Amino acid sequence: QQPVQSPQAVILREGEDAVINCSSSKALYSVHWYRQKHGEAPVFLMILLKGGEQKGHEKISASFNEKKQQSSLYLTASQLSYSGTYFCGTLGSYNTDKLIFGTGTRLQVFP
Amino acid sequence: GAGVSQSPRYKVAKRGQDVALRCDPISGHVSLFWYQQALGQGPEFLTYFQNEAQLDKSGLPSDRFFAERPEGSVSTLKIQRTQQEDSAVYLCASKAGTDYNEQFFGPGTRLTVL
Repeated sequence: QQPVQSPQAVILREGEDAVINCSSSKALYSVHWYRQKHGEAPVFLMILLKGGEQKGHEKISASFNEKKQQSSLYLTASQLSYSGTYFCGTLGSYNTDKLIFGTGTRLQVFP
Repeated sequence: GAGVSQSPRYKVAKRGQDVALRCDPISGHVSLFWYQQALGQGPEFLTYFQNEAQLDKSGLPSDRFFAERPEGSVSTLKIQRTQQEDSAVYLCASKAGTDYNEQFFGPGTRLTVL
């Protein structure tokens, strides 16, 4: 079942912060975050693994609550370039690469 | 180029036609994925390969969809007897190795079925 993201949309001014949440009804092994600009390919932001390992860009932070089957992406001091649609992707176990993407959160940053 | 490439970028087909979409992954990447993305939605998993082996095809919507990666590099997604509901962007992604690495996405092929 598709992970649910909240909020569906966010509007920010440059420099403001935002939190995007991803919630799954199934047990999770890892959560992946991507950003997609209109008409472009999704771009990798971060991977969070069960057990606390993380891999991603230095300026992006995220959390993964395994018990609650939730992940949150923290965007601080937003820039115009942060605009786009954010998707979480979830893996249910270590022995599959089948990513199930969430419902998406559209972020718009204005000057 | 260093990234994932897909061709054609745009394809218009008449209902009932067969189409073939090509994906060139990043050189040396073991895993290759196909996704379907409808307008305003997230990518939906179709199938994936590890080298030439198709490990999961559970997302293919019907038996009209077929994917192959015969030499473990380039992959082709074929759609037979296209229907209007097949209209979408088809994204290909590749991944290095089998541990937790990110997927690199191609620009996609926008398929429009008239």
